[in-house]
Amino acid sequence: EAQVTQNPRYLITVTGKKLTVTCSQNMNHEYMSWYRQDPGLGLRQIYYSMNVEVTDKGDVPEGYKVSRKEKRNFPLILESPSPNQTSLYFCASSFLPGGSGEHEQYFGPGTRLTVT
Amino acid sequence: SQQGEEDPQALSIQEGENATMNCSYKTSINNLQWYRQNSGRGLVHLILIRSNEREKHSGRLRVTLDTSKKSSSLLITASRAADTASYFCATAWRGYIPTFGRGTSLIVHP
Repeated sequence: EAQVTQNPRYLITVTGKKLTVTCSQNMNHEYMSWYRQDPGLGLRQIYYSMNVEVTDKGDVPEGYKVSRKEKRNFPLILESPSPNQTSLYFCASSFLPGGSGEHEQYFGPGTRLTVT
Repeated sequence: SQQGEEDPQALSIQEGENATMNCSYKTSINNLQWYRQNSGRGLVHLILIRSNEREKHSGRLRVTLDTSKKSSSLLITASRAADTASYFCATAWRGYIPTFGRGTSLIVHP
């Protein structure tokens, strides 16, 4: 089954304790992206990646890191989480235009993070 | 900054009625996509319309695109309670990178 998986689904942590949210896709997509969703603000892009070892900042990258060492995985790293990073996080993936598919984005189920 | 903005922010209708939501954007786009999100879940792709297309249908969904007005509309006909969700438009303008609006929250009352 084609899917994007995220782990963990729920996480409560304390300020300053490093954490990683994993994201994996099984569709051989080149493009992967992380979003955060907050009430009234919609989806805001944190980082994206066009392919292995190629990452770039989105609209709200401060406080986050990513890596793309393999095509299927795109972990989101919070080196020193703060309460303003409490949010619902989504990973997404798609093909790039010019390749196969309509490059619609497939989203993971979300990770609800609370930083106290 | 967000490229697409949906309107209205919230819409409440009765089952069987049609629901129309709009998306406006600021710069030239390659394509525009509509997504649906059930409460707290990941977004699901509904339909993509390219910049050289004016209208597209998929089941009970009808999407129009007016590039001269930089706007798109999503029409859901004969709505059902199961259509209750938030709907987002995503515009591809930075070469390819899709940018999402804040969404329209649709409630369909049985």
